[in-house]
Amino acid sequence: QVQLVQSGAEVKKPGASVKVSCKASGYTFTSYYMHWVRQAPGQGLEWMGRINPGGGSATYVKKFQGRVTMTRDTSTSTVYLELSSLRSEDTAVYYCARDRNDYLCDWGQGTLVTVSS
Amino acid sequence: SSELTQDPAVSVALGQTVRITCQGDSLRTYYASWYQQKPGQAPLLVIYDRNNRPSGIPDRFSGSSSGNIASLTISESQAEDEADYYCSCRDSSGNHVVFGGGTRLTVL
Repeated sequence: QVQLVQSGAEVKKPGASVKVSCKASGYTFTSYYMHWVRQAPGQGLEWMGRINPGGGSATYVKKFQGRVTMTRDTSTSTVYLELSSLRSEDTAVYYCARDRNDYLCDWGQGTLVTVSS
Repeated sequence: SSELTQDPAVSVALGQTVRITCQGDSLRTYYASWYQQKPGQAPLLVIYDRNNRPSGIPDRFSGSSSGNIASLTISESQAEDEADYYCSCRDSSGNHVVFGGGTRLTVL
């Protein structure tokens, strides 16, 4: 069965960077785009962007451009989300989710990133 | 601001039918998908491609679309259906994904 297993919770200071991982199993890793979605405490879902694990190209929401990088490692079937220049508003649960024809059919368990001085 | 608009909260009596709506221009072009999220859990896909259910989703969940409005209908609502529901589709550019603001469903 498909599994997306994310890395553990992180606590970062403002201005720092964080890198969250999402390890995929149960399907052909390079055949499906992977998205990153975040959810601030008590708020709705916010799409951040997606990566094509096959070729490595990524698309980001303009809001995060310059601060976000999505990468992948095909040897371990893992995608990464790196967010830099963290501020308190980046405190959120970050999810990876597998794309299947414009819908997100499988989700990771989420990674809580807390930004606090 | 979201390009998809949802009512913030809806309630339904146990066993009754409820419709949750999602409005946006991109719905005229792209199918909506719907996600259920319970407290402390990751979102769960319940409807995709307007009215298809993933394996394991009860058939009391259905979807429809007309013009710029997509709807999620839950028939014979159960207590376990109480959750936040989000619609999603591509944005008007076709390059990005957008979520609605979410609807909190309360089952009375």
